[in-house]
Amino acid sequence: GAVVSQHPSRVICKSGTSVKIECRSLDFQATTMFWYRQFPKQSLMLMATSNEGSKATYEQGVEKDKFLINHASLTLSTLTVTSAHPEDSSFYICSATDRGTYNSPLHFGNGTRLTVT
Amino acid sequence: GESVGLHLPTLSVQEGDNSIINCAYSNSASDYFIWYKQESGKGPQFIIDIRSNMDKRQGQRVTVLLNKTVKHLSLQIAATQPGDSAVYFCAEKGSNQFYFGTGTSLTVIP
Repeated sequence: GAVVSQHPSRVICKSGTSVKIECRSLDFQATTMFWYRQFPKQSLMLMATSNEGSKATYEQGVEKDKFLINHASLTLSTLTVTSAHPEDSSFYICSATDRGTYNSPLHFGNGTRLTVT
Repeated sequence: GESVGLHLPTLSVQEGDNSIINCAYSNSASDYFIWYKQESGKGPQFIIDIRSNMDKRQGQRVTVLLNKTVKHLSLQIAATQPGDSAVYFCAEKGSNQFYFGTGTSLTVIP
């Protein structure tokens, strides 16, 4: 149980284009989803927290107009990297917590490797 | 804010030996902790968790120990196997998010 599906796993795009990454909780309802960015050999850097039906909360230094997050349902959140630049190339990972379960672990997707050329 | 740190960034062990990965946390009010395993190119995978009302919890070949007095968390892996090679992260639950350690890269030597 507690599977999070993230797509695509890899994407290559040209500079200036936008890329959408989907994160779905397959067998549970996720009140909250988190989006992380991970650089090589580093830990997870939280970008934003999204709650179903409300605006995402962005961490300091993360441009909300560049990284658009939508959490329209209890099982789907999307991250859109707008006007991508090579410096946006990274590994993006989503995670979700089970609705209504206090002290439950984060369940992670398998990440999206974004390469901007 | 909270900080979660690991004492060692890398750890090499012989296959069959036991591995111990350590983690320090700073918020004494934290009541929930998790260990994750991350293989190259994949998302973190849940290994085991522990609540603050416990000192020890065991899973299959893994044990998590929590020492609230010194705010220390450890992950013990018994009979380490090549498939255990990965980066291991501890995570501490905060009020609105989870805080992750810097990670320890475990290499199992056949």
